Amino acid sequence: GENVEQHPSTLSVQEGDSAVIKCTYSDSASNYFPWYKQELGKRPQLIIDIRSNVGEKKDQRIAVTLNKTAKHFSLHITETQPEDSAVYFCAASVSSNYKLTFGKGTLLTVNP
Amino acid sequence: DSGVTQTPKHLITATGQRVTLRCSPRSGDLSVYWYQQSLDQGLQFLIQYYNGEERAKGNILERFSAQQFPDLHSELNLSSLELGDSALYFCASSAQRTTYNEQFFGPGTRLTVL
Repeated sequence: GENVEQHPSTLSVQEGDSAVIKCTYSDSASNYFPWYKQELGKRPQLIIDIRSNVGEKKDQRIAVTLNKTAKHFSLHITETQPEDSAVYFCAASVSSNYKLTFGKGTLLTVNP
Repeated sequence: DSGVTQTPKHLITATGQRVTLRCSPRSGDLSVYWYQQSLDQGLQFLIQYYNGEERAKGNILERFSAQQFPDLHSELNLSSLELGDSALYFCASSAQRTTYNEQFFGPGTRLTVL
């Protein structure tokens, strides 16, 4: 089955800096890659996603890139703010079965 | 607010007991997924139902079962509970009308087994 690796497990940045989180996946049939943000004790919230027919997608300070050949995708957050502090999860899905396989998560801390 | 509701919010019970967690999907969503989140295992997919039928199964223990009812709400039943079953249990729903699968999560049920 699908396996998703996520790095780093923790990331600490200064407010205003950029943060990058990277994920690799194993199943070449995966074609949908969402990113979720989870604050302590809260539900995972979908923040951005990318589909296999797109190489990059941007939404304000957040961008995601996908390299299907290398089977990796990344989350980029620019101009980080303290409220960006949370655990971020990447995931992969094959449209034929729809279940999401998640990475282990990255704890992002933005220091003011 | 994602539109997905889960009850109860917290559940404290003893080993060997049985509990039922309930999930109501977003209006119009046909698919319901159950995930278990623990500190050491992360977010693990348990089971998916689509319009009342089981669609996919993950690493769900035999002590656990689920169902989706005609009104599309779903219940996750956990029996013969063990200490290691203590975790956050999330339900998610999706419309599943297109090829891609945007899942929206409920607030979760925190299960504590003593």
